[in-house]
Amino acid sequence: QVQLQESGPGLVKPSETLSLTCTVSGGSISTYYWSWIRQPPGKGLEWIGYIYDGGSTNYNPSLKSRVTISVDTSKNHFSLKLSSVTAADTAVYYCASGRVPEYWGQGTLVTVSS
Amino acid sequence: DFQMTQSPSSLSASVGDRVTITCRAGHSITYYLNWYQQKPGKAPKLLIYAASTLQSGVPSRFSGSGSGTDFTLTISSLQPEDFATYFCHQSYTTPWTFGQGTKVEIK
Repeated sequence: QVQLQESGPGLVKPSETLSLTCTVSGGSISTYYWSWIRQPPGKGLEWIGYIYDGGSTNYNPSLKSRVTISVDTSKNHFSLKLSSVTAADTAVYYCASGRVPEYWGQGTLVTVSS
Repeated sequence: DFQMTQSPSSLSASVGDRVTITCRAGHSITYYLNWYQQKPGKAPKLLIYAASTLQSGVPSRFSGSGSGTDFTLTISSLQPEDFATYFCHQSYTTPWTFGQGTKVEIK
């Protein structure tokens, strides 16, 4: 069974870059779909983007200018970078796998604040 | 974007009740509709994909139906562990979008 675990800073300053990593076990990151999805406190889910087939990407147009998703096959993990963050980017960030997200990480809260 | 509208936004029900949640897409998404259950502080859990296919390990009291723009999630007999928030999700096209959620509370 695939297991995912997010890691990264829980606090980011406004205008800086949010960086998170999702470590995958039980599955190869070279194939399949690997997504980032976020959820502001008390609100709904927002798809950020995914990386698939080892390197192709698809991003939410609302975030596309600020988002980069990449994969490191040697470490079996994939990463999210979100630049120029504001308080509106405060959310629980989840990584997930699947063409329909089936396996999810536990989520990590990232707060944007000075 | 393909907007997904869920109703109701919340409901109160008793153990044993039949519960129905609906999700409407702004345009046809054929059968690319998925349902998730989320409990406080936890990641969403996939219940149903492709509108009506039960994910492995999910109890058979959960069922999904619909195609095109109108979809339904039904819980045939609500159990204590089913009190949670439910989200629909379209994977027909990107950007993937989710409904705003339906919170199922204890009456």
